Amino acid sequence: AQKVTQAQTEISVVEKEDVTLDCVYETRDTTYYLFWYKQPPSGELVFLIRRNSFDEQNEISGRYSWNFQKSTSSFNFTITASQVVDSAVYFCALSGISSGSARQLTFGSGTQLTVLP
Amino acid sequence: DSGVTQTPKHLITATGQRVTLRCSPRSGDLSVYWYQQSLDQGLQFLIQYYNGEERAKGNILERFSAQQFPDLHSELNLSSLELGDSALYFCASSVKDGGAVTQYFGPGTRLLVL
Repeated sequence: AQKVTQAQTEISVVEKEDVTLDCVYETRDTTYYLFWYKQPPSGELVFLIRRNSFDEQNEISGRYSWNFQKSTSSFNFTITASQVVDSAVYFCALSGISSGSARQLTFGSGTQLTVLP
Repeated sequence: DSGVTQTPKHLITATGQRVTLRCSPRSGDLSVYWYQQSLDQGLQFLIQYYNGEERAKGNILERFSAQQFPDLHSELNLSSLELGDSALYFCASSVKDGGAVTQYFGPGTRLLVL
């Protein structure tokens, strides 16, 4: 069985602060994929990043960066110099490739990020 | 805009009724996935179709069913509705069938059962 834990239910920061959203996962698959999605107040789910389990390089995209550590089963997401528009619920998700779990995403419970002006 | 469309955006109905939610995947995508987002259960996978065939089932109730048509659009049918079925229903699509693909989500259908 797969599991994704986002222990931080809500985080509130002031604009321009850096913030890290934690994600810890469990899977028996040796090859798996990790994702982050953003759900703004409008409700849609927006894809941010996909990471393969065999590639532990960290990734940076503008103000966003992701730290993947297989040893601790974590895939954390950092927003640098946060902005009010970053306010949203952020979901971490996992999919494996063994039969039965290959196709669907297993989501964490989400972290509500509020960036105050 | 993900390219995945869902209709209707909002649906209000009564207990015991039946509704149909519709999803059109991105152009070229063969896989369609349905997810339910509720306050108590979070985001849960319901079912997946690939090129017209059912490929994977999650926590989908027997009262719920889905299908994918030859033009690749999909419909999720919810019957004998209960108050607890009130939720946001998402459709997602991807090019392939499998874990190494990114699922792109539609805007969702918000269902309220009264």
